[in-house]
Amino acid sequence: AQSVTQLDSQVPVFEEAPVELRCNYSSSVSVYLFWYVQYPNQGLQLLLKYLSGSTLVKSINGFEAEFNKSQTSFHLRKPSVHISDTAEYFCAISNFGNEKLTFGTGTRLTIIP
Amino acid sequence: NAGVTQTPKFQVLKTGQSMTLQCAQDMNHEYMSWYRQDPGMGLRLIHYSVGAGITDQGEVPNGYNVSRSTTEDFPLRLLSAAPSQTSVYFCASSHDRSYEQYFGPGTRLTVT
Repeated sequence: AQSVTQLDSQVPVFEEAPVELRCNYSSSVSVYLFWYVQYPNQGLQLLLKYLSGSTLVKSINGFEAEFNKSQTSFHLRKPSVHISDTAEYFCAISNFGNEKLTFGTGTRLTIIP
Repeated sequence: NAGVTQTPKFQVLKTGQSMTLQCAQDMNHEYMSWYRQDPGMGLRLIHYSVGAGITDQGEVPNGYNVSRSTTEDFPLRLLSAAPSQTSVYFCASSHDRSYEQYFGPGTRLTVT
């Protein structure tokens, strides 16, 4: 069985401050890693993914995540957040060659003006 | 493209009633799936399909049925609704091996 742990259910951050959302996973096989974002009253959107290659992956809106195999982590970071980043962020994994996603419980990011 | 559409947006059922949640996509995606989202539990996979005529169970399939007669549509049926099925239901689709799922806007279901 595999699992994803997001220890922080809520993270309040001042506008323009940096943020890190933590994600750890457990799996007996190699996995792909994802961050999805859910804006209020909407469905989920893919923010970024790690399949192979460079362990640092970046999104178009300034987020980045680094795959750390030894620590089984895939933390999400942004150096300076904006009000528009207010959302719930979900970390997820899937087995190689498989589209089935296992999600974490989510982290609600609240930006304080 | 409309993307992934879901109907209805809201639904209230009484215990024991049945209903079908509709999901359609116009991107010719092979893979489609249904998740439920509950507070503090993230999203859990109910059923999925890798193509027309092929479906399989996910993590929490009990009480739900699916079929996939066309590439575009993937309805989710609740056979006899129970309060434990109160949740927000999301449909998603993707090209096989693209590892980028597109989610619909969700259906909020309340069972009383």
